[in-house]
Amino acid sequence: AQSVTQLGSHVSVSEGALVLLRCNYSSSVPPYLFWYVQYPNQGLQLLLKYTSAATLVKGINGFEAEFKKSETSFHLTKPSAHMSDAAEYFCAVSVISGTYKYIFGTGTRLKVLA
Amino acid sequence: ETGVTQSPTHLIKTRGQQVTLRCSSQSGHNTVSWYQQALGQGPQFIFQYYREEENGRGNFPPRFSGLQFPNYSSELNVNALELDDSALYLCASSLGTGIQYFGAGTRLSVL
Repeated sequence: AQSVTQLGSHVSVSEGALVLLRCNYSSSVPPYLFWYVQYPNQGLQLLLKYTSAATLVKGINGFEAEFKKSETSFHLTKPSAHMSDAAEYFCAVSVISGTYKYIFGTGTRLKVLA
Repeated sequence: ETGVTQSPTHLIKTRGQQVTLRCSSQSGHNTVSWYQQALGQGPQFIFQYYREEENGRGNFPPRFSGLQFPNYSSELNVNALELDDSALYLCASSLGTGIQYFGAGTRLSVL
């Protein structure tokens, strides 16, 4: 069975500092992995996706993530945090076994300090 | 903007009532998935519709039901509402097993 674990429900960084949000997955088959961002009172916006091509994936707004099979990780990074990055971030793994569904982690709320 | 629209944006119901939530999928998409996001949690898969047929269901009771129409828009119906049904309900559309694009959600409060 597939699952996703996001370490750290809350992360605070200073503006301009490195952002690192952690995601570990469990999957019996090669996974498709995603990062979504959710701003207050809004739906989910796709940041980036891994679909078995390049292991370093670049997304929108300067975010990127690296797929590491040996560590079963897909951590999200951004070199320099901006105030507008404050939001909730969700890692998800997709499951294709009859039904194509996403399994989400519990989310990490990012706070950016001035 | 994903092109996925949900209505209404907010809804308040009382326990025991019934509710219908609506979703218009992105143009060209034939698959709609519904998720429930409780406060402080990640979205949980409710069910999926592909070409008007249910194509899988998560761990939700039968009082959660759905429908997909020939234009691929969809409805989520919840009967006999319970307090724990209070959540943000998200609809996502995709072209088969392609990327799922989410709407802004309907926030349901059950009093």
